[in-house]
Amino acid sequence: DAKTTQPPSMDCAEGRAANLPCNHSTISGNEYVYWYRQIHSQGPQYIIHGLKNNETNEMASLIITEDRKSSTLILPHATLRDTAVYYCIVRFPHQAGTALIFGKGTTLSVSS
Amino acid sequence: NAGVTQTPKFQVLKTGQSMTLQCAQDMNHEYMSWYRQDPGMGLRLIHYSVGAGITDQGEVPNGYNVSRSTTEDFPLRLLSAAPSQTSVYFCASSYSPSNYGYTFGSGTRLTVV
Repeated sequence: DAKTTQPPSMDCAEGRAANLPCNHSTISGNEYVYWYRQIHSQGPQYIIHGLKNNETNEMASLIITEDRKSSTLILPHATLRDTAVYYCIVRFPHQAGTALIFGKGTTLSVSS
Repeated sequence: NAGVTQTPKFQVLKTGQSMTLQCAQDMNHEYMSWYRQDPGMGLRLIHYSVGAGITDQGEVPNGYNVSRSTTEDFPLRLLSAAPSQTSVYFCASSYSPSNYGYTFGSGTRLTVV
């Protein structure tokens, strides 16, 4: 799996967009970018994933740069319930070792 | 209810005791994994399975055994508990990790004294 680099912490005001960056400069052509989050004491939750095109779902948007060396997870209108640790994971979708390997992630704190 | 069920939610063991953490899913997922999370740390992969009868080691497998006799169940066995195994354990499953991501259980909080 390609290594990822995320800032250890970020702050965001409630109602504003939260933009969480992830650097994956060694990503291979067929590796996908996945985002998960973990709210305090709960199991991680899948958010979104993508290969090269920007993706959007009901939770968030994923913007991947043209060279695929970095990406940004966007929570368009952050709420207090979005306070969590956010993990960016890069991996091949059908590799033999299919389990996820988590890094340290970014702790997002949303305040009113 | 569909989902990943972990039992027990809390457990205290004495050093040297053995026990099994249960994980069950009713979504017909082939892919299942076990993670541990120590206080203030990220998740570390213990063992994983890509289907019944197939298991493999993750990042930190020592002191743990797994088996996968059915699609639904993926128990994690602690052979001889040690204080270093005090942690929160999460089980996860997926139908297709590349397309749908993993669904995680709510965790088992284990203390070894």
